[in-house]
Amino acid sequence: GAGVSQSPSNKVTEKGKDVELRCDPISGHTALYWYRQSLGQGLEFLIYFQGNSAPDKSGLPSDRFSAERTGGSVSTLTIQRTQQEDSAVYLCASSPGPVNYGYTFGSGTRLTVV
Amino acid sequence: QKEVEQNSGPLSVPEGAIASLNCTYSDRGSQSFFWYRQYSGKSPELIMFIYSNGDKEDGRFTAQLNKASQYVSLLIRDSQPSDSATYLCAADISSGSARQLTFGSGTQLTVLP
Repeated sequence: GAGVSQSPSNKVTEKGKDVELRCDPISGHTALYWYRQSLGQGLEFLIYFQGNSAPDKSGLPSDRFSAERTGGSVSTLTIQRTQQEDSAVYLCASSPGPVNYGYTFGSGTRLTVV
Repeated sequence: QKEVEQNSGPLSVPEGAIASLNCTYSDRGSQSFFWYRQYSGKSPELIMFIYSNGDKEDGRFTAQLNKASQYVSLLIRDSQPSDSATYLCAADISSGSARQLTFGSGTQLTVLP
């Protein structure tokens, strides 16, 4: 696609429910990243996929968070048993490969846990 | 300890002035440095990258890198109200099994008409 596509753009969920956030990277980009941005805060790294390598999960805040990337393209971030502190904008980014190219971000998913 | 540090601001400059945004990083192995602009409610947008010591100019924007001092800056000449945004500095930092971009917390810039 022309850009990084994320869906849904907004999600309101009840505390304790599971949510899935989707990211479709730019075609041909082998690297995919998930970040979280809380209101007025910087970008918090969550997880990184590079090609077929094992993902770098070092930024996931708890075992309620997981992500997968199917076929080296689309990625899904899953948050189980959501908590109010999970409310944030979840940003996906992709890159052609090495970090030297910089990242292109999607428009994000705003998650609100009530 | 934060790995990429920025003055959080807010920074206000009058229209037409030069805005100077600064950033320091902790990893001496960092090779790639980026400046992103983020308008309120929007996602970050890449505006500049720099790999070598010295200055890199692109239109009204100049990125400056000093690896010895672990310092990166962004100058915006002839600042316009449309430049009002949060500016994020990023550097490639060793993390886990790979290098990836680590972002500063951003500097909020307001250009006053």
